[in-house]
Amino acid sequence: GENVEQHPSTLSVQEGDSAVIKCTYSDSASNYFPWYKQELGKGPQLIIDIRSNVGEKKDQRIAVTLNKTAKHFSLHITETQPEDSAVYFCAASTRGADGLTFGKGTHLIIQP
Amino acid sequence: NAGVTQTPKFQVLKTGQSMTLQCAQDMNHNSMYWYRQDPGMGLRLIYYSASEGTTDKGEVPNGYNVSRLNKREFSLRLESAAPSQTSVYFCASSEDGTGSKNIQYFGAGTRLSVL
Repeated sequence: GENVEQHPSTLSVQEGDSAVIKCTYSDSASNYFPWYKQELGKGPQLIIDIRSNVGEKKDQRIAVTLNKTAKHFSLHITETQPEDSAVYFCAASTRGADGLTFGKGTHLIIQP
Repeated sequence: NAGVTQTPKFQVLKTGQSMTLQCAQDMNHNSMYWYRQDPGMGLRLIYYSASEGTTDKGEVPNGYNVSRLNKREFSLRLESAAPSQTSVYFCASSEDGTGSKNIQYFGAGTRLSVL
């Protein structure tokens, strides 16, 4: 089955700087790659996603890039703010209705 | 707009007890999922239901059973709870599994402790 590796496990950046989280996947048939943000005591919330027919997608300060050849995708957050502090998860899906395979998460800390 | 609702929010069980975690969605979604989240492990799929009337095992199904009661509700049952099942359980739903309709929406979770 699919295996998703996520790095780093913890990332601390100064407010206003950029943050990058990277994930690799193993199944070349995977075609959907969402990113979720989880705040303490809450369920994961989708922040951005990308499909295998697209190389990059942006939404304001957040962007995701996908390299199908290398089987990796990354989350980029620019101009970080205190409210960006949370745990971020990447995930991959081969057949959507079969569920997602998640990475182990990155704890993003924004230093004031 | 409630989205995905899970009950209870917290539960403490003794080893060997049974319980059912409830999940309901009001978005008219076809597909529903149960995940567990353990520290440092991310979320792992327990069972899923691609559509009403079907259920399938995910990555970690042992010790669990599920019921897709109707289109709205998908329950997770622990027949004989074990300490290894101490975890946070999340239910999710998606419109279906195709194309842009496979975006999953999560509930707030059930925090379960088995003593």
